[in-house]
Amino acid sequence: EDQVTQSPEALRLQEGESSSLNCSYTVSGLRGLFWYRQDPGKGPEFLFTLYSAGEEKEKERLKATLTKKESFLHITAPKPEDSATYLCAVQALSGGSNYKLTFGKGTLLTVNP
Amino acid sequence: GAVVSQHPSRVICKSGTSVKIECRSLDFQATTMFWYRQFPKQSLMLMATSNEGSKATYEQGVEKDKFLINHASLTLSTLTVTSAHPEDSSFYICSAADRTQDPYEQYFGPGTRLTVT
Repeated sequence: EDQVTQSPEALRLQEGESSSLNCSYTVSGLRGLFWYRQDPGKGPEFLFTLYSAGEEKEKERLKATLTKKESFLHITAPKPEDSATYLCAVQALSGGSNYKLTFGKGTLLTVNP
Repeated sequence: GAVVSQHPSRVICKSGTSVKIECRSLDFQATTMFWYRQFPKQSLMLMATSNEGSKATYEQGVEKDKFLINHASLTLSTLTVTSAHPEDSSFYICSAADRTQDPYEQYFGPGTRLTVT
């Protein structure tokens, strides 16, 4: 069974204080790993897709990296508007043609001004 | 691009009644749509996957007679919660994918908050 574990569950940062969120996964062949941002009462907003170990992607203050067992979401000099829950999800090769996602529980990030 | 809408955004219904939630892809053709539910401080749990024109595939433990899914067109899928009970109160989120363009990415709707009294 595919599993995704995110840590920490919650993280409080001061504005400008860089940090990283972790996503560990167990999957029988990874097709892709996805990062989403979710604001309270809203649906997830797509951030990144990573397909192979060593891959990195950046978007503004966010950078996602991938190894064979985990992914990191690095946040550089965060701002209060970066406060949200960040979700990690995996898509397994064994998922067949449905391409379903298995999600972690998320990391609630709070950035204080 | 890749905008998905849901309607209604919030609904309150009485126990025993049925509720229909719509999911629309506004600027692309959704060959596949997914329905999730999310409890407070929990992750998204996949309920079912539907391909346009086909019957939905339900995840283990999800009652297909209770959660009716219809994906009759490339832009619309509906989830009907039949004979709703308070334990069905949750945040329901749909997502959509266009397999002809990108088989891997899903675009999520804003969610529907269902409260059953």
